[in-house]
Amino acid sequence: KAGVTQTPRYLIKTRGQQVTLSCSPISGHRSVSWYQQTPGQGLQFLFEYFSETQRNKGNFPGRFSGRQFSNSRSEMNVSTLELGDSALYLCASSYQTGGGNTIYFGEGSWLTVV
Amino acid sequence: GEDVEQSLFLSVREGDSSVINCTYTDSSSTYLYWYKQEPGAGLQLLTYIFSNMDMKQDQRLTVLLNKKDKHLSLRIADTQTGDSAIYFCAGGGSQGNLIFGKGTKLSVKP
Repeated sequence: KAGVTQTPRYLIKTRGQQVTLSCSPISGHRSVSWYQQTPGQGLQFLFEYFSETQRNKGNFPGRFSGRQFSNSRSEMNVSTLELGDSALYLCASSYQTGGGNTIYFGEGSWLTVV
Repeated sequence: GEDVEQSLFLSVREGDSSVINCTYTDSSSTYLYWYKQEPGAGLQLLTYIFSNMDMKQDQRLTVLLNKKDKHLSLRIADTQTGDSAIYFCAGGGSQGNLIFGKGTKLSVKP
């Protein structure tokens, strides 16, 4: 069974640009959550999608957005990039909304903003 | 608010047992989790424990949960150099998300 797949793995963007990250969950999982990991703030919740609907949202500005497709794949978008958006963005996949007992993460997308 | 706290560093000798501790504030978490992160990698789910359990054992891993004290621990028996990584404790937040600790960096000396 394939794991959670995130693309791209590494990317470098310039301030002011926008970026789109993609996540394919484990087959059969309908919940996809996104987290931002930085050395200073640690792991912070961005949002969760379940069956194409945003269920929960963390405390991030509106520049951070996401969506989920009918095949459960999810994308997140960050517009007007700032230096502070440099981080590892992690996608988590689970069968049910709210997580349940097994929540699996992908390898992450490393974003550097210069 | 919801919070999870862990000590930042732990150093052990190869072959010894490692015990990583965690305290949490949100007692409504249905599950509590332990994740491992190696350099440059994502989070690997090591194990989880249901909130009405006191202990769970999975091969070299033993999780202990003290709900009264809101204390969770992960014991790794016969620690190997390959166990060197950052270990995160996480509980379920009120929004259905995971609340993570800052992570404990485990160093295993040969």
